[in-house]
Amino acid sequence: DAGVIQSPRHEVTEMGQEVTLRCKPISGHDYLFWYRQTMMRGLELLIYFNNNVPIDDSGMPEDRFSAKMPNASFSTLKIQPSEPRDSAVYFCASRGTENYGYTFGSGTRLTVV
Amino acid sequence: GQSLEQPSEVTAVEGAIVQINCTYQTSGFYGLSWYQQHDGGAPTFLSYNALDGLEETGRFSSFLSRSDSYGYLLLQELQMKDSASYFCAVENRDDKIIFGKGTRLHILP
Repeated sequence: DAGVIQSPRHEVTEMGQEVTLRCKPISGHDYLFWYRQTMMRGLELLIYFNNNVPIDDSGMPEDRFSAKMPNASFSTLKIQPSEPRDSAVYFCASRGTENYGYTFGSGTRLTVV
Repeated sequence: GQSLEQPSEVTAVEGAIVQINCTYQTSGFYGLSWYQQHDGGAPTFLSYNALDGLEETGRFSSFLSRSDSYGYLLLQELQMKDSASYFCAVENRDDKIIFGKGTRLHILP
């Protein structure tokens, strides 16, 4: 398995633009998580899905953030409009029901200027 | 609410043993995990404890005391490649994992 695949690896965008981050979880994993990492706040859970259904989105900062999982092999995290304070590394992770640990993707480093 | 406390930095010598502690406060505790993250990389899963006691995986061991809400990660025979950040993470019965702020491990030759 190729692991959890995220794209793009790096994204630089201007304030006010829409940003879409993409994630392909490991096949057979039924949990998918979106995290954001910054020096100040560490790893923050934004939202997670179980069997493609959003279970908890209490970590989503505000209405500018939205996430979808239209099928078991694809998820998106969208920021519209983006702001400089959204600059961070965004990680996607997946886990199977019988697994204990998460497998993280390589992350998307987002810079909003 | 939930909280995890771990030291921000630890320094040790190559070949030595180091212990990274983690205390937590949460409701509906299910298990404690440890992750390693190298600079510029993604977190990688190291170990998981749901029951009290020590779990050993090669040079790394992890311990949990549920009654004390405490755990630690023990790294033996330290190698330079072990220089990284180490995160403890609490899993609750709602299936989500909350991470601590991480401990940066510096290894001196």
